[in-house]
Amino acid sequence: EAGVTQFPSHSVIEKGQTVTLRCDPISGHDNLYWYRRVMGKEIKFLLHFVKESKQDESGMPNNRFLAERTGGTYSTLKVQPAELEDSGVYFCASSQDLVAENYGYTFGSGTRLTVV
Amino acid sequence: DAKTTQPTSMDCAEGRAANLPCNHSTISGNEYVYWYRQIHSQGPQYIIHGLKNNETNEMASLIITEDRKSSTLILPHATLRDTAVYYCIVRVSTNFGNEKLTFGTGTRLTIIP
Repeated sequence: EAGVTQFPSHSVIEKGQTVTLRCDPISGHDNLYWYRRVMGKEIKFLLHFVKESKQDESGMPNNRFLAERTGGTYSTLKVQPAELEDSGVYFCASSQDLVAENYGYTFGSGTRLTVV
Repeated sequence: DAKTTQPTSMDCAEGRAANLPCNHSTISGNEYVYWYRQIHSQGPQYIIHGLKNNETNEMASLIITEDRKSSTLILPHATLRDTAVYYCIVRVSTNFGNEKLTFGTGTRLTIIP
């Protein structure tokens, strides 16, 4: 089966611009997660979708970040306007069961965002 | 989720067993121990998880102490491709809510040729 796909793999934008990251989870996975690692820091949780609903968005840093998952399939994460501190790698993950006891999450390869 | 403590870095000779320790002294009875790794420039990869029994799969073995306050991930025959940062994560698994993973700093494992 295809894994979790993220697009683009790299993005370089200027401060103040808008960027939209896309994640295609594994087909049939209801749970979709966004994480990010900013420079020198640990990987941090951003939010969790169950189908099209936001289950937990406690990790979203501020209102410049907007995540959507219309139709419960792919998800987008928009940063508007981008700031220098948003630079980092954004990972998406998906899982089949809400109680993922028998499955680990499957992560995508990430989108490396650089804000200049 | 309970906090975990791991060594910052470790080396292991190629072909030998790599034993990565993790302390989780505040773990609760319903919390699982998960291991992930991140190979440079890739997303985290699930390795194995367990509750209280030792577990083995095609990638690794997980040994959990009887009091569950610590665990060891074992890569039986390390190869150069096992060089990565390894994360030990303790997580409550429930039917709803709070399914996020809390990553620490992990252990940077370097396999030496």
